[in-house]
Amino acid sequence: SQTIHQWPATLVQPVGSPLSLECTVEGTSNPNLYWYRQAAGRGLQLLFYSVGIGQISSEVPQNLSASRPQDRQFILSSKKLLLSDSGFYLCAWMRTGVAGANVLTFGAGSRLTVL
Amino acid sequence: TQLLEQSPQFLSIQEGENLTVYCNSSSVFSSLQWYRQEPGEGPVLLVTVVTGGEVKKLKRLTFQFGDARKDSSLHITAAQPGDTGLYLCAGGKRDDKIIFGKGTRLHILP
Repeated sequence: SQTIHQWPATLVQPVGSPLSLECTVEGTSNPNLYWYRQAAGRGLQLLFYSVGIGQISSEVPQNLSASRPQDRQFILSSKKLLLSDSGFYLCAWMRTGVAGANVLTFGAGSRLTVL
Repeated sequence: TQLLEQSPQFLSIQEGENLTVYCNSSSVFSSLQWYRQEPGEGPVLLVTVVTGGEVKKLKRLTFQFGDARKDSSLHITAAQPGDTGLYLCAGGKRDDKIIFGKGTRLHILP
């Protein structure tokens, strides 16, 4: 069965410090992978998605970057965090569901607080 | 640009009541999904609808996809405290992106 892991689960970082959030998927190959950010109790904003190794699509200009060094690994990074980077970050992989529709399976999330 | 609008944003009702939440867009989607999220966890898929006019039932939850595939609704019958959570609709297009609405936060009072 497929599983998705995210870490760290919780992170408190000072403004200006670097960031690295990691996501790995098991039990599938060449998955489409996604990073979303969620403001407190609200909807998900798509940040990046990747359809393969080294292929990154950015949805919004921001202080963050993403990389996909291996088939089942997706990393979210920042060189210098801003206060506005605080939030709940969710990694997901896309699978084919009912009638060929694309659906997402999410990790447990990483809560980032920038002070 | 917010492509999916959900309403209401917040809903608090008594146990046993019925409710409907809505997801609307000016765009056509190849599929629409509903997810439910608990605090501190990732969203979990409830249902996917792909055909205009399609209706799916999941116990006390009824999901409908609009005929033009631009909107969807979620109806809960006889709500229970366990239904409390954030309900998110999401639209899929053929370019590998899935876009989410801002969600409806539902609270069922015992």
